[in-house]
Amino acid sequence: DQQVKQNSPSLSVQEGRISILNCDYTNSMFDYFLWYKKYPAEGPTFLISISSIKDKNEDGRFTVFLNKSAKHLSLHIVPSQPGDSAVYFCAASESSGSRLTFGEGTQLTVNP
Amino acid sequence: GAGVSQSPSNKVTEKGKDVELRCDPISGHTALYWYRQRLGQGLEFLIYFQGNSAPDKSGLPSDRFSAERTGESVSTLTIQRTQQEDSAVYLCASSGQTGFGTQYFGPGTRLTVL
Repeated sequence: DQQVKQNSPSLSVQEGRISILNCDYTNSMFDYFLWYKKYPAEGPTFLISISSIKDKNEDGRFTVFLNKSAKHLSLHIVPSQPGDSAVYFCAASESSGSRLTFGEGTQLTVNP
Repeated sequence: GAGVSQSPSNKVTEKGKDVELRCDPISGHTALYWYRQRLGQGLEFLIYFQGNSAPDKSGLPSDRFSAERTGESVSTLTIQRTQQEDSAVYLCASSGQTGFGTQYFGPGTRLTVL
C-alpha cells in the first residue's frame, strides 16, 4: 500500500526554467509534508516543508504547494540550476507520530 | 561531529551471517530513526527511538531485525541470519523534537548480502 506516490521517476529541464515535481498521498491523517533532495552516495538532505494548515511555503528558489482536497503537493524550483540535479523525495507524517512515509523519488536533471 | 554519522559505509556479507550497523546522531537530538532504501525504491521506515520511551518497532520487517539505542546517543541496528533481500542502503536520521521536527539523515550504510 503506497501511501505516498511520485508518479514521475524522472524529469529533465533546461537551466533557468521552472522545475515542477509532483507528489500524491492517500492517507488523510498526514498533516506535515517535506521534500528531501538526495545526491548519489549521500543521505537525503532536508529542503522544505509545509504543514496542513498552509497551502504554500516559500524558501528562496523553492516553493511547496499543498492541495489538501486533492491530496496533492508539488515542489517548484525556479530558476532551475544544474546543481539542482538530484533525486527528490516527497515525505509525509501524521501528527500522532514522527515516522516519515516516503515516495519513490523523482530524478531531476537540469541541463546547462 | 556536525552531522549524523554511520558506519560502516559499505558492508558485504554472506547469506546467513549477522551484521551490525552503527549510527551516531547529532549531539542533543532526542529522536533517532532507522530507514532502509532498496534499489529503485523510496525510503522505508524501520524503527524509531524517542528518549526513554519504548521504541516504535512497527516497521521492522521480521524478527531477524533488532535495534538498540544507548540513552540519547549511539544506536545499533542488527540483522541476524541475513538474506539476499536484506540488501539495501540503511539510513539513520535524528531530530531535535518529536512530531514535526525535521529529520537529518546520515550518509547510509550500503549492505550487500551475497
